[in-house]
Formats: sequence, structure tokens, C-alpha cells
Amino acid sequence: NAGVTQTPKFRILKIGQSMTLQCTQDMNHNYMYWYRQDPGMGLKLIYYSVGAGITDKGEVPNGYNVSRSTTEDFPLRLELAAPSQTSVYFCASRSRGGRTGELFFGEGSRLTVL
Amino acid sequence: DQQVKQNSPSLSVQEGRISILNCDYTNSMFDYFLWYKKYPAEGPTFLISISSIKDKNEDGRFTVFLNKSAKHLSLHIVPSQPGDSAVYFCAASELVKLTFGGGTRVLVKP
Repeated sequence: NAGVTQTPKFRILKIGQSMTLQCTQDMNHNYMYWYRQDPGMGLKLIYYSVGAGITDKGEVPNGYNVSRSTTEDFPLRLELAAPSQTSVYFCASRSRGGRTGELFFGEGSRLTVL
Repeated sequence: DQQVKQNSPSLSVQEGRISILNCDYTNSMFDYFLWYKKYPAEGPTFLISISSIKDKNEDGRFTVFLNKSAKHLSLHIVPSQPGDSAVYFCAASELVKLTFGGGTRVLVKP
């Protein structure tokens, strides 16, 4: 019963490096999301997708890219990492027919940029 | 421009007493309001929700109240238990997107 799986759980990057945070869900959910949570703050939406091949920007998309080639996977790409991208990243999903908008979250990926 | 605000960053309550968490919003187009609970090093987990056409929803020890005219909702936890110690996020849904408040850290003292 995996749900939403994120990898890696922890990563340290140097300024200017690039990396991809992986997210996969096994619930056949159409909608997928990437949020970031800075210390002591709430979650801010980076990108979201309503289905394979469709992505859209959230509140804080700058410095990130996403793709959605399959229903299951929604990777988040960081290009030219900056210290401001130090955060905990959460991937989430929900079904199109969900009655309340409830999102199911992964356990998070903690990224530090030095 | 924060559309969802939780003005109390923390709350301390004695075990067995009531915990009341508050949340304000600005966007009249929100159709559902949700509360999430988060433990350290874990992802948020869904707790309870309420439709914008209702004013109360109850699930065991958790009750959410919605006051649309004031654009305010609250979560009541009765009785509070030590296992309720966590960060609670208020969230509001508009179409496919969920917007979160900044969170309230709750500490339940035995």
C-alpha cells in the first residue's frame, strides 16, 4: 500500500547544480502536485498537473520545471540550484472525482543547497 | 497576498481540554475547506473537511465550523490528547488547487 512515494528523502546540493526529485503514486490519481515548505511556514504550490501531458504553474514556479509523461509519475526538476531553494518538498495526488479536494501526500524530500 | 491565514503560530493545551484552532480566508471562490495534521519528518495527513455550503462537520473528537460571512473557520478538538501534538494546517480548495495556511503548532500537555 505505497500511496505517494518520493525519492530521495534527503539531498545536499551545491549552488548551481541540478537535480530531479522523483514522485510516483500507485492510486491512479489524475491530479498531482508539488509543494515546498520552508521552516515555520505553510506549504506553497510550485506546480501541478491534472493529467498526463498537462502541467501548470502554482504560486512559486521560478527555478523549477516539471513533466508528466505518465499518470503515475510527476518529477520536479531543479536547474541551477540556489540557497533559496533549501526547503522540504512534498509531492501529493488526488483523484479527479475526490469529494473534498483531499490530497494524499508523500513523506517529503529535504533539500539543502550550500 | 495570503489567501489563507492562521494567525496563531502555536497553541498549548492541557490533556482533556478543548483545542480551538482558527483560520481566516479571503477568496470567496473556495469550495471546500480542509484541515491537515503534520508530524515531524512526515507528510501532512488529512483530518477533516467541510463544504462551503455547510457550517459544521463533525468526525469523532474533531469538529470544523465555517462562518462564510466572516470568512472564518475553526477546528475544535475535544478532548485533546497527547497524540494530538502536531502542526495543523488549514487549507482551502478552489477547483483543482489547494491553498494552505501557515500552520499552528499544538502542544497537548499530559
